[in-house]
Amino acid sequence: QVQLQESGPGLVKPSGTLSLTCAVSGGSISSSNWWTWVRQPPGKGLEWIGEIYHSGSTNYNPSLKSRVTISVDKSKNQFSLKLSSVTAADTAVYYCASRIAARPYWGQGTLVTVSS
Amino acid sequence: EIVMTQSPATLSVSPGERATLSCRASQSVSSDLAWYQQKPGQAPRLLIYGASTRATGIPARFSGSGSGTEFTLTISSLQSEDFAVYYCQQYHNWWTFGQGTKVEIK
Repeated sequence: QVQLQESGPGLVKPSGTLSLTCAVSGGSISSSNWWTWVRQPPGKGLEWIGEIYHSGSTNYNPSLKSRVTISVDKSKNQFSLKLSSVTAADTAVYYCASRIAARPYWGQGTLVTVSS
Repeated sequence: EIVMTQSPATLSVSPGERATLSCRASQSVSSDLAWYQQKPGQAPRLLIYGASTRATGIPARFSGSGSGTEFTLTISSLQSEDFAVYYCQQYHNWWTFGQGTKVEIK
């Protein structure tokens, strides 16, 4: 069974860049799946950030598109998220996820706080 | 973007009663629909995927139905541990989520 694990700094300064990595185990990132990032601000709902295919093709939420980059590293079986020009509104739990064989799989999530 | 609309926003139910939660998609998502349960401070827990398939370890009192644009999550007899927020999610075209239904004790 595929497992996903997020990692990265828990604190980012305003105007800086948030960077997270998702390690994939129990499966290959080169399989026919889209690899996804989702976030949830404290006390609010879930928001899809974007997704990437192992070929490098990406789709981004239009509301975040100008600030988001998702990339894949096949050699390390992982994919990454970069969100630039962050503000306090970007404080959230960030999840990596994927749909595999018609079933969503999620990581446990990591809290990222934007604060000076 | 496919918009997911959940109703009601809050559902007050007594333990042992049946709860019915609804989710509507702005366009067809076929059966690419999941339901999640979330409690404070926890990650969403997958309950149902493919509109009606229970995830591993999910009790049989949880059931999902529907296809296309109309979906339902039914909890047949609410237990104390079922009081939480429930989200629907479509993964037919990108991912989008409903705004959540809070199931609270009546």
